[in-house]
Amino acid sequence: GAGVSQTPSNKVTEKGKYVELRCDPISGHTALYWYRQSLGQGPEFLIYFQGTGAADDSGLPNDRFFAVRPEGSVSTLKIQRTERGDSAVYLCASGEGLSTDTQYFGPGTRLTVL
Amino acid sequence: QKEVEQNSGPLSVPEGAIASLNCTYSDRGSQSFFWYRQYSGKSPELIMFIYSNGDKEDGRFTAQLNKASQYVSLLIRDSQPSDSATYLCAVTGQAGTALIFGKGTTLSVSS
Repeated sequence: GAGVSQTPSNKVTEKGKYVELRCDPISGHTALYWYRQSLGQGPEFLIYFQGTGAADDSGLPNDRFFAVRPEGSVSTLKIQRTERGDSAVYLCASGEGLSTDTQYFGPGTRLTVL
Repeated sequence: QKEVEQNSGPLSVPEGAIASLNCTYSDRGSQSFFWYRQYSGKSPELIMFIYSNGDKEDGRFTAQLNKASQYVSLLIRDSQPSDSATYLCAVTGQAGTALIFGKGTTLSVSS
């Protein structure tokens, strides 16, 4: 079946602009995760959804970052007033929502803030 | 601060050799342990997961977990050039499912 998809694959924006990144999880997966990965680093957790609600948003770096999953499927990560330090690959993963869940990653969105 | 530590490498092995990748973690309450492979410019791909102490084998890959030592490893037998990638160790924290990743170990298999 189809894996996790993310759009756009690349996003270039200017400092101070607003961006939205979209994630479409594997069909039937109730858990959805956002991570971001900087060069030479492992992915860093941002937020986890179980269904429509954010079960854990402890990884969001500040209030410029927000994510929604209104119907329990597609999720959008929103970044306001982007800064150059936000440049990274934003990865989305989905899983079945179990405590021992395996997470399957999408291809990522490479965000570049100029 | 929950941490996952990996030697960044590069780890270089000849084709056909065994590659041994190691990982330590700080949170004694961690429950689940994962190895992901990441090719340059690509997203992480799940290789193996392990939940219980001991060894778990899947084809050429063996994951080993020692919770007392807070240590998890991945052995790759008969290494192939196509195994050349960065290997990420990840653990779940005590609370559940958010993965905490190490920085990854770069493996290079020469033919």
